[in-house]
Amino acid sequence: DSGVTQTPKHLITATGQRVTLRCSPRSGDLSVYWYQQSLDQGLQFLIQYYNGEERAKGNILERFSAQQFPDLHSELNLSSLELGDSALYFCASSVLSGGTEAFFGQGTRLTVV
Amino acid sequence: GENVEQHPSTLSVQEGDSAVIKCTYSDSASNYFPWYKQELGKRPQLIIDIRSNVGEKKDQRIAVTLNKTAKHFSLHITETQPEDSAVYFCAASEGDNFNKFYFGSGTKLNVKP
Repeated sequence: DSGVTQTPKHLITATGQRVTLRCSPRSGDLSVYWYQQSLDQGLQFLIQYYNGEERAKGNILERFSAQQFPDLHSELNLSSLELGDSALYFCASSVLSGGTEAFFGQGTRLTVV
Repeated sequence: GENVEQHPSTLSVQEGDSAVIKCTYSDSASNYFPWYKQELGKRPQLIIDIRSNVGEKKDQRIAVTLNKTAKHFSLHITETQPEDSAVYFCAASEGDNFNKFYFGSGTKLNVKP
């Protein structure tokens, strides 16, 4: 167990809908990263928050947004869902803003039908 | 931004043989290079990392080498075992602020008993 908790583990929804994925980082970790992993694909960096503030942005679609709350948990919001958004979404956390080991959660598997 | 390329995409070796996975990166300011192992259906887990002030690091059967001049780094696994079968991802942190982890596309390693 990495100490990073993601909910839900599985999510099935229809095209056009909106979902929220939740991540609780390890105790003491200030930095949260979100990644998307499509079937048999690599890990695509979406966005990073550090102590409540957006720190870095990757190839995140405009339909996607995220935030980190004062208690340091983070949410990834995906809207106007398309079939191609079906993927495994990972959250990771680290103590600092990078440069140290990032611990991954078990992921949320999103299926858009 | 950083561009990390990883080769090969698949690698099949006989148990007991060595396996080598290579990655190149584009940002000369990158200075943290972790390697993650992802077993089927599970979260990525750090297996070894190296910083730019070190040329080589070993941990039992696993070693990583870094050539900053050529901007490439490699993972070496000796005496491979069936439980080493997994997907391996290299990553590089962008710039001095370690803000992002850019991952390679992954190498699927199959160790045949």
